[in-house]
Amino acid sequence: QVQLQESGPGLVKPSETLSLTCTVSGGSVSSGSHFWSWIRQPPGKGLEWIGYIYYSGSTNYNPSLKSRVTISRDTSKNQFSLKLSSVTAADTAVYFCVRGWYGDYTYFFDFWGQGTLVTVSS
Amino acid sequence: EIVLTQSPGTLSLSPGERATLSCRASQRVTSGYLVWYQQHPGQAPRLLIYAASTRATGVPDRFSGSGSGTDFTLTISRLEPEDFAVYYCQQFGSSPLFGQGTKLEIK
Repeated sequence: QVQLQESGPGLVKPSETLSLTCTVSGGSVSSGSHFWSWIRQPPGKGLEWIGYIYYSGSTNYNPSLKSRVTISRDTSKNQFSLKLSSVTAADTAVYFCVRGWYGDYTYFFDFWGQGTLVTVSS
Repeated sequence: EIVLTQSPGTLSLSPGERATLSCRASQRVTSGYLVWYQQHPGQAPRLLIYAASTRATGVPDRFSGSGSGTDFTLTISRLEPEDFAVYYCQQFGSSPLFGQGTKLEIK
């Protein structure tokens, strides 16, 4: 069973960089047919895809966040990470790390971390 | 950019009733790219249906998905108490996008 666990500061100051790490167990961030994503959910609101990194290391980002987002991975630690720069209060949200699967013209997000609340405030 | 509109925003039903949730896309969506998730308060979303109509592992057969093109539907044949939650549709294109959600609440 694949498990994902987010870690990182729960409070970030405005204009600073939000940094989160996702540790994966029961699967590999280098395995084929998978991609590793960050999705967020502001309190009381819906889900917003931030971006993902493929098993190959290539990335794809939400155009609305692209200028501020970097997703990377550390295969030796089986982790992937999110950096979101120049944060504002609008970036306050629960951040989920998620595994995606693709194949046969089908895509879906199948395993989710429990989520971690990040609050942007001075 | 594709926009997904879910309706109704809130659906009030009783256990045992049938629920029909709609997801309408502003442009045609490849069926293989249409997914449904369930989310209970304080929890991560759970994969229910992928490729518009395929149930994920462990999902009860009272859940079914249908549709193609721009109109997709999630049906719950007989509601159980644990089915009351928020449901999101999602499409995978160049930028994965979620609908705004339908809250299924107990009447």
